[in-house]
Amino acid sequence: KQEVTQIPAALSVPEGENLVLNCSFTDSAIYNLQWFRQDPGKGLTSLLLIQSSQREQTSGRLNASLDKSSGRSTLYIAASQPGDSATYLCVLNMEDSGYSTLTFGKGTMLLVSP
Amino acid sequence: EAGVVQSPRYKIIEKKQPVAFWCNPISGHNTLYWYLQNLGQGPELLIRYENEEAVDDSQLPKDRFSAERLKGVDSTLKIQPAELGDSAVYLCASSPSGGATGELFFGEGSRLTVL
Repeated sequence: KQEVTQIPAALSVPEGENLVLNCSFTDSAIYNLQWFRQDPGKGLTSLLLIQSSQREQTSGRLNASLDKSSGRSTLYIAASQPGDSATYLCVLNMEDSGYSTLTFGKGTMLLVSP
Repeated sequence: EAGVVQSPRYKIIEKKQPVAFWCNPISGHNTLYWYLQNLGQGPELLIRYENEEAVDDSQLPKDRFSAERLKGVDSTLKIQPAELGDSAVYLCASSPSGGATGELFFGEGSRLTVL
């Protein structure tokens, strides 16, 4: 059974810092991995999707990497801003009985202070 | 293009009352999911549809929860009767294919409070 761990559970940084959020998983036979952010009281907003064959994806100040051999993905946020404050979740998509199954991490709660 | 639309956004009911949530996925998305999310936790799958077929409902408490996806588009999740422990956010998500490589999109969620 796939297990997904996100470390740290919470992170507080001053504005302007570069930071890394970690996501580790136990089964590398995945279709893809997706990073989301969730603001309080809101749904999940997709940030980056990395397919199994890819090593990284970039969008603006965000860069996500995938290393299946070590069972790790990282989300790098450059020059953090207070608006980046949210909970960040990684989700793994893998095959199960002919369909995809999704496994969620518990998230990292990020607070960027001005 | 509209995203995943859910309604109502908020619902407050007394225990033992029924409640229903509605989800309209992104046009053309065959795969639809209902998730339950408790405060401070990640989403937990309730049911997954491929078109109109429920392909995974193993985590759905069938004694009080039911769901349908008529015509493989909109979906409704119902709870009857609601219990105090059902207070949570109910999230709907959709994906364009069988989910193998498709990106997942979520709605804003329906927050249920059971008094």
